This record gives sequence, structure tokens and C-alpha cells, in this order.
Amino acid sequence: GAGVSQTPSNKVTEKGKYVELRCDPISGHTALYWYRQSLGQGPEFLIYFQGTGAADDSGLPNDRFFAVRPEGSVSTLKIQRTERGDSAVYLCASSERGSYNEQFFGPGTRLTVL
Amino acid sequence: AQSVTQLDSQVPVFEEAPVELRCNYSSSVSVYLFWYVQYPNQGLQLLLKYLSGSTLVESINGFEAEFNKSQTSFHLRKPSVHISDTAEYFCAVSPMNRDDKIIFGKGTRLHILP
Repeated sequence: GAGVSQTPSNKVTEKGKYVELRCDPISGHTALYWYRQSLGQGPEFLIYFQGTGAADDSGLPNDRFFAVRPEGSVSTLKIQRTERGDSAVYLCASSERGSYNEQFFGPGTRLTVL
Repeated sequence: AQSVTQLDSQVPVFEEAPVELRCNYSSSVSVYLFWYVQYPNQGLQLLLKYLSGSTLVESINGFEAEFNKSQTSFHLRKPSVHISDTAEYFCAVSPMNRDDKIIFGKGTRLHILP
């Protein structure tokens, strides 16, 4: 079946602008995760959804970052007033309940803030 | 809280030579252990995982990792590497028995020399 998909694959924006990054998880996966990977680093957790609700948003760096999953499937990560330090690859992953937390990752969105 | 340490940021090795990528972790609870691989210009893929039972786990492409609870390590090994193994390898952990974020190490870049 189809894997996790993310759009756009690349996003270039100017400092101060608003961006939205979309994640379409594997069908039937109830858990959805967002991570951020900066150059030379491993992925860092941002937020995790179980169904429609955010089960853990402790990784969001500040209140400019927000994510939603209104129908328990597709999720959107929203970044307001972007800063150059937000430049990174944003990864989405999904997992099936009871799967020993085996997370399947999408290809990522590379965000560049000029 | 959990943390993962990958001491080697880069490991150069000759083709057909053995390799070991080191990983140590810290956690106050029992964890699942993972190795993810990221090939050039591709997304993260699960290479192998330790959930419970036998401490030695293997992947389909010849890698193996051994869970050592007393040393809190999960080193990755391959007896003979190929040029196609060139990639970045991430060790990761997540708390056992629940859906939760994965904590990644900073990664080790495996560089195969001809």
C-alpha cells in the first residue's frame, strides 16, 4: 500500500511569512508524529497525535508552531512568522496502534527560510 | 526521559571489511531499540528493532545488532560491507508498551571506501 506522503517536498519562504506543511499518513494508522531534522542532526520530536487530539506537544519549540489533525487522518504543521532558524527537514511518521511503536516515515519537507 | 549517544559521527571503512557502529542509551524505563537508515536523498527506513526476547536481532541485508542491558548499548555490526551500505545510520529508542515519540541519536555516516 501507499506509504506516508508529505507535501510540498520543498518549500522556500521569506523570513516572517506563514507556512503550512501537510502529512498524509498510512491509511488506518491512528498515531501521527512530526519531527524536525536539522543539518547534521538526528530527527527531533515536535508533536504526536493519537486520533484527532495532540497526545504530546512538548517538542514544539515555541508558540509560532502549531499542528492539527481535524479528522484523525491528514495533519498540517503550521509555522507563523518564520525565522531562518526554522530551516530544516520536517518529517512526518505514522504508526498502527499495538505495533510496538514501529513508525513509518515520509520523505520529508525541506523548509528553507531566507 | 531517554537519550541516545552515537559517539562516531563518521565511520570510513573499506569495502568488504567489517564495521561496527556504536550506540549507547539512557532511560529510566524499559525501551524498544531501533536502528534507522537514511540512504542519500531518501527518507528514513527502519533497519532493525529490538522489542524483547533474543538480544541479537538481524536485518535482511546482513546487519545485526545486540542489545546489552548491563552496558545500555545497542551496537550495529556487519561482517562485510558493500558500497550500497553508504548511508547515515540512526540509533533510536522509545518507551516500551505504548505509542510514544522516538528519541534519535545524532547519526553516524558510514562511508565505504573502494
